[in-house]
Amino acid sequence: SQQGEEDPQALSIQEGENATMNCSYKTSINNLQWYRQNSGRGLVHLILIRSNEREKHSGRLRVTLDTSKKSSSLLITASRAADTASYFCATDYEGGSEKLVFGKGTKLTVNP
Amino acid sequence: KAGVTQTPRYLIKTRGQQVTLSCSPISGHRSVSWYQQTPGQGLQFLFEYFSETQRNKGNFPGRFSGRQFSNSRSEMNVSTLELGDSALYLCASREGGYGYTFGSGTRLTVV
Repeated sequence: SQQGEEDPQALSIQEGENATMNCSYKTSINNLQWYRQNSGRGLVHLILIRSNEREKHSGRLRVTLDTSKKSSSLLITASRAADTASYFCATDYEGGSEKLVFGKGTKLTVNP
Repeated sequence: KAGVTQTPRYLIKTRGQQVTLSCSPISGHRSVSWYQQTPGQGLQFLFEYFSETQRNKGNFPGRFSGRQFSNSRSEMNVSTLELGDSALYLCASREGGYGYTFGSGTRLTVV
């Protein structure tokens, strides 16, 4: 079964708006990662947040992690049409299993 | 720095055949992982290799196998193909506790 569950499953916004995606997971983790996938191509690593971190920024991306609630959020500010893609959270289990467990993803559409 | 290279990009096979997919990781990356992506099951972990040793295996039947060579290149093999094996197969590499770099994938269609 999937470890992470993204919410919402689909999100449609206008260019310039912010997009927020949420992810919940089930067990203790080493870190949580967010990836983007364009139209069934390979995954692009966006950001990694470790279990002892609460917030991380990278350009227009902001990720938060709440280990007590086993949840994370990805915020994309000032979205662009090029941000249209599917976004996945993936958890790296505590114990160094070298195995990512992915959620089913959020399909983001940014309308020009 | 070259990215993760997967070959071939597309493949069509007949039920019962076998297939071998190839992955060349980023130079210097010793960990190579394989994932299967389908519309129904999403992204699922197949296996992970490090320095030619399989360290982890996902919940897939024995028809799915893999190996890693001394130059870190990896191959995965699927024998006795079934229609349900149609998927995008993704390879990823990393070194250290950072994010993974994925290849563009191999789209396998079983007819």
